Amino acid sequence: GAGVSQSPRYKVTKRGQDVALRCDPISGHVSLYWYRQALGQGPEFLTYFNYEAQQDKSGLPNDRFSAERPEGSISTLTIQRTEQRDSAMYRCASSLGARSETQYFGPGTRLLVL
Amino acid sequence: AQKVTQAQTEISVVEKEDVTLDCVYETRDTTYYLFWYKQPPSGELVFLIRRNSFDEQNEISGRYSWNFQKSTSSFNFTITASQVVDSAVYFCALSEAWYGGSQGNLIFGKGTKLSVKP
Repeated sequence: GAGVSQSPRYKVTKRGQDVALRCDPISGHVSLYWYRQALGQGPEFLTYFNYEAQQDKSGLPNDRFSAERPEGSISTLTIQRTEQRDSAMYRCASSLGARSETQYFGPGTRLLVL
Repeated sequence: AQKVTQAQTEISVVEKEDVTLDCVYETRDTTYYLFWYKQPPSGELVFLIRRNSFDEQNEISGRYSWNFQKSTSSFNFTITASQVVDSAVYFCALSEAWYGGSQGNLIFGKGTKLSVKP
């Protein structure tokens, strides 16, 4: 079946603009995770959802970052007033359930803030 | 505190050599899960294996094998008879499963870049 999809795959924006990154999980997957990966590093946790409920947002760097999953399927990660330090690969993953089920990752969105 | 250490930043081998990628973890939990993911040059993250803390049996899948040792908090990954297509960055990751909670986020190491030369 279809895997996790993310859009856009690449996003170039100017500092100060808002961006919205979309994630479409594997059908039927309850849990959805957002990670950020800097060059040469492993992914770092941002936030996650079970169904539509945001369970943990402890990894969001500051209040410019927010995420939602209103119908328990597609999720959007929004970054307001982007800064150059926000440039990174943003990865979404989904799993059948919570409690450390295997997470399957999407292709990522490469964000570049000029 | 939870942490994953992959001390080898880069490894270079010649095709058909065996290679072992090291992973050492720290956790406060008695129930946890360990994972390996592969990131080929194309950039996606591909799941390889998941192992829970109660299962210390080694696992073999084709040319891949994993050695889990709780006594040394290690979960090492060996590729036998390496091939050029094995060239990638390999990440080890940890997930804690607190009883009664719903945690599950992955804590990744920094990755080991493996280059297999023909």
